[in-house]
Amino acid sequence: DQQVKQNSPSLSVQEGRISILNCDYTNSMFDYFLWYKKYPAEGPTFLISISSIKDKNEDGRFTVFLNKSAKHLSLHIVPSQPGDSAVYFCAAYSGGGADGLTFGKGTHLIIQP
Amino acid sequence: SQTIHQWPATLVQPVGSPLSLECTVEGTSNPNLYWYRQAAGRGLQLLFYSVGIGQISSEVPQNLSASRPQDRQFILSSKKLLLSDSGFYLCALQRGSSYNEQFFGPGTRLTVL
Repeated sequence: DQQVKQNSPSLSVQEGRISILNCDYTNSMFDYFLWYKKYPAEGPTFLISISSIKDKNEDGRFTVFLNKSAKHLSLHIVPSQPGDSAVYFCAAYSGGGADGLTFGKGTHLIIQP
Repeated sequence: SQTIHQWPATLVQPVGSPLSLECTVEGTSNPNLYWYRQAAGRGLQLLFYSVGIGQISSEVPQNLSASRPQDRQFILSSKKLLLSDSGFYLCALQRGSSYNEQFFGPGTRLTVL
């Protein structure tokens, strides 16, 4: 049973527009959520995170929104740039311990010129 | 800031051969360390985590094992590789159990033939 779901395997967005990547989770014990960006043959790079006590966190062009009642989070990238083309992983965590992250399968974002 | 090294970067091994992947970290002490695997078409799956020297927790049953002989060294091993062990292996660290973000190394691409 997949506890973190990214239902869009790929997403194509025009350069300069907004990219919105979605993620759903089923485990109500998750209280911390992270987004990672990954290029081929490289390790994931941490982008942004949000605690369950917040509904929004912003860092430059990246904003993560959390809707706890819907068990849904999204990553907004504005404006989208060519270097944003990568696979984006949503991850969730029950904080306060050493447990590993539970990842979604990823969404391949393609920024078109 | 912390740095994660993984060795080797790529590896091609025959079925039934042994495996040893090494992860070393710098810039932090007593981190939590993790091994993840990304198989083709799948997200990242947690394999093992360690909160200290000699302390290993396994998330999924498999023919792999992990060891932590030193504070900043984490090793993934197998006595006999299977075809299904092919994938991209990632080492990650968390600065401590009171932190939430995990940071990933560059990964090792393992192909079992």
